[in-house]
Amino acid sequence: LAKTTQPISMDSYEGQEVNITCSHNNIATNDYITWYQQFPSQGPRFIIQGYKTKVTNEVASLFIPADRKSSTLSLPRVSLSDTAVYYCLVGGSGTYKYIFGTGTRLKVLA
Amino acid sequence: DADVTQTPRNRITKTGKRIMLECSQTKGHDRMYWYRQDPGLGLRLIYYSFDVKDINKGEISDGYSVSRQAQAKFSLSLESAIPNQTALYFCATSSPSYNEQFFGPGTRLTVL
Repeated sequence: LAKTTQPISMDSYEGQEVNITCSHNNIATNDYITWYQQFPSQGPRFIIQGYKTKVTNEVASLFIPADRKSSTLSLPRVSLSDTAVYYCLVGGSGTYKYIFGTGTRLKVLA
Repeated sequence: DADVTQTPRNRITKTGKRIMLECSQTKGHDRMYWYRQDPGLGLRLIYYSFDVKDINKGEISDGYSVSRQAQAKFSLSLESAIPNQTALYFCATSSPSYNEQFFGPGTRLTVL
């Protein structure tokens, strides 16, 4: 399983774009990159998943460079309700053994 | 109604007691998981099951056991609870063809 490294914490202000970068140097050819969001005392919730280049959905974008050794989760115009922990996970299709790590604690300030 | 439910949501017990945490899902998924989360840390996998006849240990299975009673039900037992098993426990499900895991609301367990 590829290990991921991401910042422990980040602060941002409402309305700003937030970019959280994850390093995964040992990513395997068939690995996907998946991001989860977790609010206090709740289970993680899937945000976005990608394999290469750029993926966008209604809540976030995921940028993956050609070498796939890192990825960036982009949250446009964050609000106070985006304050949460964000986990970057790497695994193959149908992966069942994720390593969640400690994630990035994002705090959005008014 | 929630797709993944856990009971109880909160439980306080004493050292040495046997306790069972239950998980039910209506998503029709074959795969189910139990995780534990300690304060300020990420989730660690305790056990996982690919179907009713398949049970596998995760990274921290010591002190825990599981039972997959049906496709929709996966229970976690602590045979003799100890204080360092105080944590937040999450159940999750997924389908074989997609990486997304769907998590329950969690059970907060305190062992005194």
